[in-house]
Amino acid sequence: GAGVSQTPSNKVTEKGKYVELRCDPISGHTALYWYRQSLGQGPEFLIYFQGTGAADDSGLPNDRFFAVRPEGSVSTLKIQRTERGDSAVYLCASSPTTDTGELFFGEGSRLTVL
Amino acid sequence: EDKVVQSPLSLVVHEGDTVTLNCSYEVTNFRSLLWYKQEKKAPTFLFMLTSSGIEKKSGRLSSILDKKELFSILNITATQTGDSAIYLCAGRGGATNKLIFGTGTLLAVQP
Repeated sequence: GAGVSQTPSNKVTEKGKYVELRCDPISGHTALYWYRQSLGQGPEFLIYFQGTGAADDSGLPNDRFFAVRPEGSVSTLKIQRTERGDSAVYLCASSPTTDTGELFFGEGSRLTVL
Repeated sequence: EDKVVQSPLSLVVHEGDTVTLNCSYEVTNFRSLLWYKQEKKAPTFLFMLTSSGIEKKSGRLSSILDKKELFSILNITATQTGDSAIYLCAGRGGATNKLIFGTGTLLAVQP
């Protein structure tokens, strides 16, 4: 596709459940980022990948959060034992490189934990 | 700790007004500063600034960076209701060159 695609666009789950959020970046973009945005806040950095490897995962809040990008393209953000505080919009972005330049964002996945 | 601070947090103006949005940053190994507009979901890119004192301009929007004082401003002249959005500022840098966002400025332009 032409842009960054994220699925699902909305996910409602119960506390304690496991969720997966998918990101399909722009073709050819080697860098992929995950951010989390709560209401009234700017995007909060979670993790970014350069190719298949996580170049920086310092933003992951705890060990319930994990992300993979096995083939250097699609990425999945995985959240175990969800808590109500995990409710937010999860934004994915990609860029051609990590050195400079803009990030291209997807529409986000809105997660609601009941 | 790297941080980006934006002010004001929110702003209400009338169509035709000029607004200035502020962004200060403390980012180690600073590379660039970016401005985004967020209307509903996906932030859309406005400007990237890497050099001090060089204004970037796109229509009614313009931005400039001061690397000595560690801030940037975004100006919007002759505002329109379509300018209503959250404006996000982000600094690129740190040990791994990631993008660090401020909390944003919510701009509301009234007819």
